[in-house]
Amino acid sequence: NAGVTQTPKFQVLKTGQSMTLQCAQDMNHEYMSWYRQDPGMGLRLIHYSVGAGITDQGEVPNGYNVSRSTTEDFPLRLLSAAPSQTSVYFCASKTGGNPWYFGPGTRLTVT
Amino acid sequence: DQQVKQNSPSLSVQEGRISILNCDYTNSMFDYFLWYKKYPAEGPTFLISISSIKDKNEDGRFTVFLNKSAKHLSLHIVPSQPGDSAVYFCAASARGSTLGRLYFGRGTQLTVWP
Repeated sequence: NAGVTQTPKFQVLKTGQSMTLQCAQDMNHEYMSWYRQDPGMGLRLIHYSVGAGITDQGEVPNGYNVSRSTTEDFPLRLLSAAPSQTSVYFCASKTGGNPWYFGPGTRLTVT
Repeated sequence: DQQVKQNSPSLSVQEGRISILNCDYTNSMFDYFLWYKKYPAEGPTFLISISSIKDKNEDGRFTVFLNKSAKHLSLHIVPSQPGDSAVYFCAASARGSTLGRLYFGRGTQLTVWP
């Protein structure tokens, strides 16, 4: 299994640009989520999904959209990038009562 | 407001000694606690967990202790090794939640020196 994969690893955007961070898992996990980590902060939940077609907001959802059309994929869309969205983004997945399993992260810089 | 707190941003320990990382929480609904380890440029990896029905859980060199009355948990690493140098995140969730949403502390940077 490749586990949780995220692309790209690094991205630089200009303010106002849009982009999609990709996340995929090959473990048939029903739950998936997106977190962001800022310097000196813990990870904060952006959006999550409990299954294909079902998504909901986390703690810091503003400026981001998600969809879950398949079990495997959970892309995160930035609609109009802002400098405040400069962060490291982690996708995670889990099944049942097991711990969350995290991807390697995408480092995003918005100038 | 931070519901999970790690008040020590860093800890430095000599190889072979014990490392003790601390974590406090405020939400009484939390009943499942996890520690994640993170190396630079990698995602967090699950290390060890404990349910609120226990007060101790061991896995090799790693032991987590839970004091429910004090809303405090700690991670002990014995003996510490240079490869343990990483950021350690404490996380909590309410198992009654199907999602098992995690609330993270800010992390503690552990440095183990030879």
